[in-house]
Amino acid sequence: GAVVSQHPSWVICKSGTSVKIECRSLDFQATTMFWYRQFPKQSLMLMATSNEGSKATYEQGVEKDKFLINHASLTLSTLTVTSAHPEDSSFYICSARVPGVREQYFGPGTRLTVT
Amino acid sequence: GESVGLHLPTLSVQEGDNSIINCAYSNSASDYFIWYKQESGKGPQFIIDIRSNMDKRQGQRVTVLLNKTVKHLSLQIAATQPGDSAVYFCAEKLRGYSTLTFGKGTMLLVSP
Repeated sequence: GAVVSQHPSWVICKSGTSVKIECRSLDFQATTMFWYRQFPKQSLMLMATSNEGSKATYEQGVEKDKFLINHASLTLSTLTVTSAHPEDSSFYICSARVPGVREQYFGPGTRLTVT
Repeated sequence: GESVGLHLPTLSVQEGDNSIINCAYSNSASDYFIWYKQESGKGPQFIIDIRSNMDKRQGQRVTVLLNKTVKHLSLQIAATQPGDSAVYFCAEKLRGYSTLTFGKGTMLLVSP
């Protein structure tokens, strides 16, 4: 149980375009999902906390207008990278929290390359 | 939160050895700690967790030790196998919050 999926697993887009990444909890309802970014050989950095039915909470330094997060249902959160630039190229990972459980379950990640 | 390292410490061991991976945390208000394993190109995988009211917890081939006095967390892997090769991250959760802060990670390389 507690499986989290992401789609797509990798994406290449041109500079200036937008790309949407989906995060789904497959066998449980997640009231809270989290989005992380990870650069090569570095740790996971929390970008934002996504709560179903409300606005996301962004970490300091993360542009909310550039990284749009929508958590429209208990099983789906999306991250849209708007007007992508090469420096946005990274590994984006989501996680979901089972209500009442401390542990977060992580998705497989999405590799974004902006050319 | 924790600072993010710009390099990845590496621990190289032989198959069958016991491995110890260390993590220092800075916030005494953290009440929950988790170790994750991340293979190349994949998301983190839960290994073992521990609450701040414990100092040791054992799983299958893994043991986590928590020393709150010096704010230190360790992961011990018994009889390390090549399949254990990955990057290992510790993560901490502050009391009253749901977010996790990840440590900088350690790459474990297991040679046959």
